[in-house]
Amino acid sequence: NAGVTQTPKFRVLKTGQSMTLLCAQDMNHEYMYWYRQDPGMGLRLIHYSVGEGTTAKGEVPDGYNVSRLKKQNFLLGLESAAPSQTSVYFCASVLGGGREAFFGQGTRLTVV
Amino acid sequence: QQQVKQSPQSLIVQKGGISIINCAYENTAFDYFPWYQQFPGKGPALLIAIRPDVSEKKEGRFTISFNKSAKQFSLHIMDSQPGDSATYFCAARQAGTALIFGKGTTLSVSS
Repeated sequence: NAGVTQTPKFRVLKTGQSMTLLCAQDMNHEYMYWYRQDPGMGLRLIHYSVGEGTTAKGEVPDGYNVSRLKKQNFLLGLESAAPSQTSVYFCASVLGGGREAFFGQGTRLTVV
Repeated sequence: QQQVKQSPQSLIVQKGGISIINCAYENTAFDYFPWYQQFPGKGPALLIAIRPDVSEKKEGRFTISFNKSAKQFSLHIMDSQPGDSATYFCAARQAGTALIFGKGTTLSVSS
């Protein structure tokens, strides 16, 4: 039972490049979230999903897109990376009707 | 507009002392208030949580105090230990949506 797995763990991008971050959970959870963590800013919600095929915007969605085609996967895309998107990205999942959010280990992204 | 306000930003406590972290919220539709603990290089992990129909919840050395009328809740860590040194986040969630986090408190427990 791996829990929540994020791929990749580290990445360096050049400005303007695109990439996709993958979050996979094996707990059959309904809800999945993407957050970014920056020093002094806490965890800020980018997008979230309350079920397969659904997505919603969070606090800081600009510059990001998401997809939830399969229940176990939640993808975060950066179409044209900017230095302001340098951050640590965390994915989390929650069992529908449950409470505890389980987090992945994070993806450290640097945009140069 | 910050939905969950957390203070202090950093805290230094001596071993054996009490650590207190406070949070305040505005949205009365929030129905779940957890605290998460994060160690460097790791993802946050649930520490303790409370629902608004309860005024206090205790798990070991960790206690949440909840004041619904004041829209405030706090984390108390009794007998703080060096191993408690971490970043602590309060959070809140409205049913059917996502967790909203405070900005975090970095706790250092000196031995």
